[in-house]
Amino acid sequence: DAGVIQSPRHEVTEMGQEVTLRCKPISGHNSLFWYRQTMMRGLELLIYFNNNVPIDDSGMPEDRFSAKMPNASFSTLKIQPSEPRDSAVYFCASSFTGQETQYFGPGTRLLVL
Amino acid sequence: DAKTTQPPSMDCAEGRAANLPCNHSTISGNEYVYWYRQIHSQGPQYIIHGLKNNETNEMASLIITEDRKSSTLILPHATLRDTAVYYCIVRVHEGGTSYGKLTFGQGTILTVHP
Repeated sequence: DAGVIQSPRHEVTEMGQEVTLRCKPISGHNSLFWYRQTMMRGLELLIYFNNNVPIDDSGMPEDRFSAKMPNASFSTLKIQPSEPRDSAVYFCASSFTGQETQYFGPGTRLLVL
Repeated sequence: DAKTTQPPSMDCAEGRAANLPCNHSTISGNEYVYWYRQIHSQGPQYIIHGLKNNETNEMASLIITEDRKSSTLILPHATLRDTAVYYCIVRVHEGGTSYGKLTFGQGTILTVHP
């Protein structure tokens, strides 16, 4: 079992550039979550998908952030344009409805200069 | 979800039991207690969860008080690899559909010493 796969693991970009983070959930899982972690705010949920449909995006900071899940095995989180305050570690997690455990990926460390 | 209160940090000697407390005095009847941990530079990892009975698995034991207002996570024989931030989370199970939102607090930094 490969676990949740995220790419890239590290991303350094300049302010104003578009950033795309990718996630492959565990096969068979039907729920997917994007979290962001910073020193100031800790771990916070950005968006939650169930069966590829966005259920709760109330944590998405602003219109610069968007997330998609075109199929059960792939999701993207896009930031356009990026700003220095977006620098954080972004985690993707997946689970299966009826099982209460979320499995987290290794995260993507984003630095916006 | 109910708020939780945890000590910011704790120390433990290697080989000894680590007892991590969590206060959740406003927990409601349908809220479960979950524990996750985050080892440095890794994603959070599920440890254990329970409703009102004590639970044990290969990683830890969870002791929930009878009034459910507090709980203790026990690592019976702590090792250096158990050094991590431990998060206590209370969360509703919504019928057959598990709305999986986890609200993380600041957690407890557990340092296991040789």
